[in-house]
Amino acid sequence: GAVVSQHPSWVICKSGTSVKIECRSLDFQATTMFWYRQFPKQSLMLMATSNEGSKATYEQGVEKDKFLINHASLTLSTLTVTSAHPEDSSFYICSAIVSGEPTDTQYFGPGTRLTVL
Amino acid sequence: GENVEQHPSTLSVQEGDSAVIKCTYSDSASNYFPWYKQELGKRPQLIIDIRSNVGEKKDQRIAVTLNKTAKHFSLHITETQPEDSAVYFCAASRNTGGFKTIFGAGTRLFVKA
Repeated sequence: GAVVSQHPSWVICKSGTSVKIECRSLDFQATTMFWYRQFPKQSLMLMATSNEGSKATYEQGVEKDKFLINHASLTLSTLTVTSAHPEDSSFYICSAIVSGEPTDTQYFGPGTRLTVL
Repeated sequence: GENVEQHPSTLSVQEGDSAVIKCTYSDSASNYFPWYKQELGKRPQLIIDIRSNVGEKKDQRIAVTLNKTAKHFSLHITETQPEDSAVYFCAASRNTGGFKTIFGAGTRLFVKA
């Protein structure tokens, strides 16, 4: 199957700093990627849809100025958590879509655990 | 808005018994229903999926059923083993108006040896 990678796998930062997380599709091109956030013992919550060459589409309640998404190429999307605070500590997972019939298939990255001190 | 409900939140079974997890969805445009297994700190792994033109699908010890009229779908694991212990998520996806997946809240499955 298709491979999606994320970097870094974990990061610890001080409150107020910004953190960038990369999501790459390794063996396919992805015009659409998704960013999810998962708090402990909870489900995956869709944050935004990242579209190559255009602005991301954010879900209700997700601050676009705080979670900056850039999808500059067909294999890379980045999520930058700006001015991170302890409540932003979470497991961030990206996914990418492989087109197919009758439906597309979603492949997940390994996740990035963010801890904000 | 779109919603996927999943039950139970926790399920404990004896090794060898069956486990059943049930989900309902609200978005009529959903046409693809994957099930994921997630171990602690790892990515969700697709274990089985079913599309809206199929009522049932089986893969060894795992089966999934779909009732599109009632908007219900279920995961059945037979002959459970300790290594089946994990969190299982159902999801409902649609392709119309852009691909979108909504996840259920998850079921924590414990298989006791």
